[in-house]
Amino acid sequence: DGGITQSPKYLFRKEGQNVTLSCEQNLNHDAMYWYRQDPGQGLRLIYYSQIVNDFQKGDIAEGYSVSREKKESFPLTVTSAQKNPTAFYLCASSIGGFSFRGLAKNIQYFGAGTRLSVL
Amino acid sequence: AQKVTQAQTEISVVEKEDVTLDCVYETRDTTYYLFWYKQPPSGELVFLIRRNSFDEQNEISGRYSWNFQKSTSSFNFTITASQVVDSAVYFCALSEDLYNFNKFYFGSGTKLNVKP
Repeated sequence: DGGITQSPKYLFRKEGQNVTLSCEQNLNHDAMYWYRQDPGQGLRLIYYSQIVNDFQKGDIAEGYSVSREKKESFPLTVTSAQKNPTAFYLCASSIGGFSFRGLAKNIQYFGAGTRLSVL
Repeated sequence: AQKVTQAQTEISVVEKEDVTLDCVYETRDTTYYLFWYKQPPSGELVFLIRRNSFDEQNEISGRYSWNFQKSTSSFNFTITASQVVDSAVYFCALSEDLYNFNKFYFGSGTKLNVKP
């Protein structure tokens, strides 16, 4: 079955600790995204990657880091600099990240999410 | 300014009632795309529909229907004869053609409770 796998489902972070959230896709999609969701709010973009070995900051990148060494993998590290990390984190992917005027926007497909809490 | 507004934070209905979820968007682009996603309690966002700005035809898929009106910048979602399994948070999203990547603007979501 093709899809996006996020792990772990639940994660706990201690004070001053960095933690890494995994996101793997077997859809052969070029583009991948990380979102943060807080209770009662919409999704906010943390980082995105349109192609392997390239990634860009989204709207709330401070305190987070990513890498894109393989097409199928886009891990997110929540660093100790992120003072309020408790949230639900969603990873998504789409066929192509680049868009040119007149072409259809690509649907983003999502993983099941990781819930991060602070101990 | 918020690009996508879902004014209804939470709606409760009894099974078999019809319910409409509102979505109002804001954009200066002439080419844009609108989406609806469903987020059940499990957490994963499930894609429901994509619409482009040049296609104002309403769409029906089973019990689901969508009403796109450019004149009022709205893209409303109606569930007919609601069922308990429809209970979820529903998100409306906008993607503009201005950017060279697939940036989505999400509304804050509407939580739908369908009671038996």
